[in-house]
Amino acid sequence: QKEVEQDPGPLSVPEGAIVSLNCTYSNSAFQYFMWYRQYSRKGPELLMYTYSSGNKEDGRFTAQVDKSSKYISLFIRDSQPSDSATYLCAMSAGNTPLVFGKGTRLSVIA
Amino acid sequence: NAGVMQNPRHLVRRRGQEARLRCSPMKGHSHVYWYRQLPEEGLKFMVYLQKENIIDESGMPKERFSAEFPKEGPSILRIQQVVRGDSAAYFCASSLARGGEQYFGPGTRLTVT
Repeated sequence: QKEVEQDPGPLSVPEGAIVSLNCTYSNSAFQYFMWYRQYSRKGPELLMYTYSSGNKEDGRFTAQVDKSSKYISLFIRDSQPSDSATYLCAMSAGNTPLVFGKGTRLSVIA
Repeated sequence: NAGVMQNPRHLVRRRGQEARLRCSPMKGHSHVYWYRQLPEEGLKFMVYLQKENIIDESGMPKERFSAEFPKEGPSILRIQQVVRGDSAAYFCASSLARGGEQYFGPGTRLTVT
């Protein structure tokens, strides 16, 4: 079983839709959870950083962590064509290397 | 406030040559991380350095790869005697503190011919 599982997609949605992106993990030591956005041939851009169960909101983005289920989500409201990118989840146990999912490719169609 | 800088952005090497990748962290950051991304693969951790020290190299191949972060100047990832399998995008990230938020550079795309 891989440490971090992420559905690679591709996921295609119409503009304005709510997008749900998810990752599951197996290592119960993970405490810090991140979501990155990566445009084609660019570096990953940090979107959200959380370290506890529950929700964290930033603009159109909401990160959700459920440690009991080892499941994290990123919701994008009112999705825009500019949100089309690959979304990577990442997590760590603190002073340990980040472990990334393989990424979900999202296309938002105008 | 400049972000993480990497150069070169693209690097072509023939098999057997050396590749040298450079990373300048964000201003004020002293923690540097190197990752490799293969096509259709996620980012894989290679090495974590703090000024003049290698803290964690658990993801680094045992041979041909080395990294440094000198007191002055950028962090360097060095790949000796490159092989075709080394072709990938190499990303550098930096953070303010250990375990803190990591910010990534634009990457260096290495092609080995």
